[in-house]
Amino acid sequence: QSALTQPASVSGSPGQSITISCTGTSSDVGSYNLVSWYQQHPGKAPKLMIYEVSKRPSGVSNRFSGSKSGNTASLTISGLQAEDEADYYCCSYAGSSTHVVFGGGTKLTVL
Amino acid sequence: QVQLVESGGGVVQPGRSLRLSCAASGFTFSSYGMHWVRQAPGKGLEWVAVIWYDGSNKYYADSVKGRFTISRDNSKNTLYLQMNSLRAEDTAVYYCARDPRFRVATAYAFDIWGQGTMVTVSS
Repeated sequence: QSALTQPASVSGSPGQSITISCTGTSSDVGSYNLVSWYQQHPGKAPKLMIYEVSKRPSGVSNRFSGSKSGNTASLTISGLQAEDEADYYCCSYAGSSTHVVFGGGTKLTVL
Repeated sequence: QVQLVESGGGVVQPGRSLRLSCAASGFTFSSYGMHWVRQAPGKGLEWVAVIWYDGSNKYYADSVKGRFTISRDNSKNTLYLQMNSLRAEDTAVYYCARDPRFRVATAYAFDIWGQGTMVTVSS
């Protein structure tokens, strides 16, 4: 069982927007602005999409955005494209004992 | 270009040891914290360990604490993971990954990833 809770799957049609939630606790997501999101295509290494809750690395499309409210972080993808179909993982710093926790991953299907 | 290349994976018996390496190129290796992250077959991501850019701090997941050691040689632009007392549950693809922060405490995020190296622990 993962420390952060994500929906197992989400889906959307091309052009639509979807949001993936990531629920933690006051010991991780709720306490630190160190939430990041990763996209992983089958057989490939993960790719950083968002870090420090809402920062987007150079080269990542502005269709991807991140936010946080309380113990829940969210990744929103607007203008869905076929190539967005992948697994998405959230990640959070969880303090000096546990350090890092991941979500179980969400499979995004573009219909 | 910025690149991380892991090596050293393979099949090993339970209780034995293995050392993974991660060769960095295209950036100032000595200025970035580095992590190991693993992924068991068909499963999600699991953080393993982090080392500060200057090697001054090292932290581990509870699942590997006391068995794995992370280290780096900044003169060789190389990160290591020494894995001892291996267990079946350590079977995974091991990725090295760069932390995005430059010369400060890590952000506990991973902006550059290697292609991964497979470790299989089996008798």
